[in-house]
Amino acid sequence: GAVVSQHPSWVICKSGTSVKIECRSLDFQATTMFWYRQFPKQSLMLMATSNEGSKATYEQGVEKDKFLINHASLTLSTLTVTSAHPEDSSFYICSARDQAVNTGELFFGEGSRLTVL
Amino acid sequence: GDSVTQMEGPVTLSEEAFLTINCTYTATGYPSLFWYVQYPGEGLQLLLKATKADDKGSNKGFEATYRKETTSFHLEKGSVQVSDSAVYFCALSENDYKLSFGAGTTVTVRA
Repeated sequence: GAVVSQHPSWVICKSGTSVKIECRSLDFQATTMFWYRQFPKQSLMLMATSNEGSKATYEQGVEKDKFLINHASLTLSTLTVTSAHPEDSSFYICSARDQAVNTGELFFGEGSRLTVL
Repeated sequence: GDSVTQMEGPVTLSEEAFLTINCTYTATGYPSLFWYVQYPGEGLQLLLKATKADDKGSNKGFEATYRKETTSFHLEKGSVQVSDSAVYFCALSENDYKLSFGAGTTVTVRA
């Protein structure tokens, strides 16, 4: 099946720094990717929809300036957590749809665990 | 808004036991319903889905039936294996791409 890869798998950073997480579709093209956030023992919460070549669409309550999303190519979307603080520590997951296949199935990355000290 | 409530875990079973994970939903329209599975160290994978009332999704011995009258989509497997140990997520979508997830249920199957 289609593969989505995230990098890094885990990252530890100091408060105030910015962290970039990459989401790549390895064997298919994706005009749309989705970014989720998951707190321990809670649901995946959709943060934003990443659109290739255009601005991301953010869900209500998600700060656009805090979580910068860039979808510069059909196989790569990046999420940058700017000026990270401990409350941004979480598990971030991306998903993508194979635009060549009309099944609607989403393929998920392995997730990236961010810890802000 | 849309929401999904699924059985809290963790669930620990012996091999060949019967597994049920309850899932109920709230939606304004007629959503599609999904079960995703996340094996250790891997991303979420679609396990099965159902797109309309009374549909039954099935895969790898797992089944779930879309029950509109009870707004439920319970996951069942008659005889689990150690390899079924994973986190299971119930989800719904009013369209095919934006998903609302339950909290996930961790299942551990012991030999």
